[in-house]
Amino acid sequence: GENVEQHPSTLSVQEGDSAVIKCTYSDSASNYFPWYKQELGKGPQLIIDIRSNVGEKKDQRIAVTLNKTAKHFSLHITETQPEDSAVYFCAASIWSNYQLIWGAGTKLIIKP
Amino acid sequence: NAGVTQTPKFQVLKTGQSMTLQCAQDMNHNSMYWYRQDPGMGLRLIYYSASEGTTDKGEVPNGYNVSRLNKREFSLRLESAAPSQTSVYFCASSEVDTIYFGEGSWLTVV
Repeated sequence: GENVEQHPSTLSVQEGDSAVIKCTYSDSASNYFPWYKQELGKGPQLIIDIRSNVGEKKDQRIAVTLNKTAKHFSLHITETQPEDSAVYFCAASIWSNYQLIWGAGTKLIIKP
Repeated sequence: NAGVTQTPKFQVLKTGQSMTLQCAQDMNHNSMYWYRQDPGMGLRLIYYSASEGTTDKGEVPNGYNVSRLNKREFSLRLESAAPSQTSVYFCASSEVDTIYFGEGSWLTVV
């Protein structure tokens, strides 16, 4: 079955710098890759997603890149702000939300 | 604008006790889910309901049962709680791609 590995488990960056979180997946049939942000005491919330027919997608300060050959995808946050501090989860599936396999999460800490 | 509401927020159970986690969504979504979240393990799907009247096992269904009471409500039952079921439980719903999560239920089994 699918396996998703996420690195690093904790990332600390200076406010204003960029942050990059990487995930690898094992099933080459996977074609949907969402990223969720979880703030303390809350449920995860979708921030961006990408499908396998696209190599990159941007939404303001957030971007996701996908390398199908290497089977990895990354979340890029530029100009980090204190409100970016949270746990970020990647996931992968074959089109269906029922089959989403989640990474273990990355705790992002933004230092003032 | 409630979204996904789950109760209770916190619960302490003794080993062997039973309880039901309640979940309701007001977004008219067809699909609903129950996840558990454990440190270092991400989110794992316990059960899901693709539509009213159907339920299916996810990755970790053992020790749990679910009921899709109607389109809005999806409950999770622990018949005989075990310490291994200590976790944070999230209910969620979706229509197409985006999954909307509740705020979580912290369950401790002692």
